[in-house]
Formats: sequence, structure tokens, C-alpha cells
Amino acid sequence: DSGVTQTPKHLITATGQRVTLRCSPRSGDLSVYWYQQSLDQGLQFLIQYYNGEERAKGNILERFSAQQFPDLHSELNLSSLELGDSALYFCASSPAYRRPEFFGPGTRLTVL
Amino acid sequence: AQTVTQSQPEMSVQEAETVTLSCTYDTSESDYYLFWYKQPPSRQMILVIRQEAYKQQNATENRFSVNFQKAAKSFSLKISDSQLGDAAMYFCAYRSDSGGGADGLTFGKGTHLIIQP
Repeated sequence: DSGVTQTPKHLITATGQRVTLRCSPRSGDLSVYWYQQSLDQGLQFLIQYYNGEERAKGNILERFSAQQFPDLHSELNLSSLELGDSALYFCASSPAYRRPEFFGPGTRLTVL
Repeated sequence: AQTVTQSQPEMSVQEAETVTLSCTYDTSESDYYLFWYKQPPSRQMILVIRQEAYKQQNATENRFSVNFQKAAKSFSLKISDSQLGDAAMYFCAYRSDSGGGADGLTFGKGTHLIIQP
């Protein structure tokens, strides 16, 4: 158990819908990262937040957005969902820059 | 942009033997970090080992060690005394330090490691 929690574990929804994935980092970790793992694209970095501020962006679609709240939990919002958005979404956290990331168990999103 | 290449989609090793997983990367930066992550069938991503590019000494963690060749941009993982629990997908990953570490990981496509009993 890495100490990072993600909810829900599984999510099934329809095309065009919007969903929110939630992540609670390890106690004391200020950095939160979001990744997408799909068969087509492999593991891709989406976005990073540090202490409530966006710090780095990867291959995140405009339909996707994220935020980190004052209690340091983070949410990833996915809208106008397409079949290709079906994937495993990971959240990871680290105490600061230059420290390794510890991954949560992931949320499996299925878009029908 | 940085790229990470794992040229072995699948490797098989007998239990108790040693196996080496290959990873090469492409970057123009001098400061960065390299990682190996393990993903068992549960899909949990587990950090195996970490190497800072400025350190010449190869990292080791129990039965896991790396061979870091900075000039060749190579970062292989050696697993000694392979155990059934080592069976998993192994991902090599890179992180730039040019932004003060504010960046995500770039992953390779992974190597599926099979342990034969």
C-alpha cells in the first residue's frame, strides 16, 4: 500500500458524459501527478500540481482538467468522454520536487 | 522531447536465475533521474529503484541493481535470484531535472517478465 488513495476504483459511463476522479496523496506529500495508461498510448503524464498550483503539463487533452485543493487532495475532470478515453488513470504523489513518486491503485474508466 | 525505449517486449527467466532488462533513453539534458517501476497483475505501480544522473555509482536495492551508462544513455535493470513474485511488467522511466524537478515521468512501453518455476 503506497498511501495514495484513489476513488472510485472502477467507473463505467457513456460517451459524451463527464466524470470526476479523486486522489488523496500520501500524508505530507505536496506534489500530485496524474497519468493515463491505455493500450494505445501506454503510460502518459497528464498534469502535475504542487501545493495547489499547476506546475507541469503533459499530454492532457483540453477536455480534461484538474485541480488540487487546500487539503492537497486532487480531482481530475474528464468531459465529453469518447471511447478512446477508456483507460486506467493513476494518481501519484511525492513530498517535493526531485523525490520519487508513489502511485495510487488507479481508477479504471470504461466509456461505452 | 525525451524518449525512453525498452526493446524487449517480453523476457523469460528460470526461478533463482539472473535476468537483465534493457532501457535506453534519448535526452539533451545533463540533469535527470531514471527509475524502474514494476506493475504486477494487480496493476499497482511499484517503485523498484531510482538513479540520479549526477551519481556515477549504480543504485542497488536488495536483489535489484542497475547498470547506468550515462554516455551511452543506457539504464538496465538486473534482477538476481529471480522469484515468482517478480513476475510483472517493468517500466523504465525518465524525469528531467531542468525545471527543478517539476515534470512528470516519461515511460517506456514496458517489458513483460515471466518467471519459470
